[in-house]
Amino acid sequence: GEDVEQSLFLSVREGDSSVINCTYTDSSSTYLYWYKQEPGAGLQLLTYIFSNMDMKQDQRLTVLLNKKDKHLSLRIADTQTGDSAIYFCAEGIYGNKLVFGAGTILRVKS
Amino acid sequence: DGGITQSPKYLFRKEGQNVTLSCEQNLNHDAMYWYRQDPGQGLRLIYYSQIVNDFQKGDIAEGYSVSREKKESFPLTVTSAQKNPTAFYLCASSRSTSGELFFGEGSRLTVL
Repeated sequence: GEDVEQSLFLSVREGDSSVINCTYTDSSSTYLYWYKQEPGAGLQLLTYIFSNMDMKQDQRLTVLLNKKDKHLSLRIADTQTGDSAIYFCAEGIYGNKLVFGAGTILRVKS
Repeated sequence: DGGITQSPKYLFRKEGQNVTLSCEQNLNHDAMYWYRQDPGQGLRLIYYSQIVNDFQKGDIAEGYSVSREKKESFPLTVTSAQKNPTAFYLCASSRSTSGELFFGEGSRLTVL
């Protein structure tokens, strides 16, 4: 069945790069998403990548997709304290609802 | 501005009472969802609806009920049968089932 796994916690120093990893199981995924959740709020879409792409860059965010290994990563360059949040990856398969990972808590130390 | 509105943001309930959480969207999206989030855990799908007057159970539907009488509205009722209802509830919508989800700001329910 579908399953998305993420590491639970990541701690980085302000100014360093953060890399959040995610693995998924369904090779028929069409889109893969990264969402950010700040405390007490809903989820906001950060970025997404279509399954036929290897990489997508959007300002400080870089998404890498290794389809062979079913591995997705989100790199945040020059991490700031405002980046502290929970990050969820999700896979979308055509015609089916999104499947979310459990989320990775990113803590940025100043 | 288009978006999803959840209300109330905070709600307290006595044991044995039913409570209804509101979710309204003006994005003209067909699909709507309810998720539950517990501290330190990910999102668990309660119910979803792909079209008006139709909805499906998610992974943890027991003790919950929904209706979808209008495209814009997808209220969730937490019934007294739900054994552990204290949680953060998130409503979302999307243009299509596998498309990008837009989330509301959430409703925090506490059972006293």
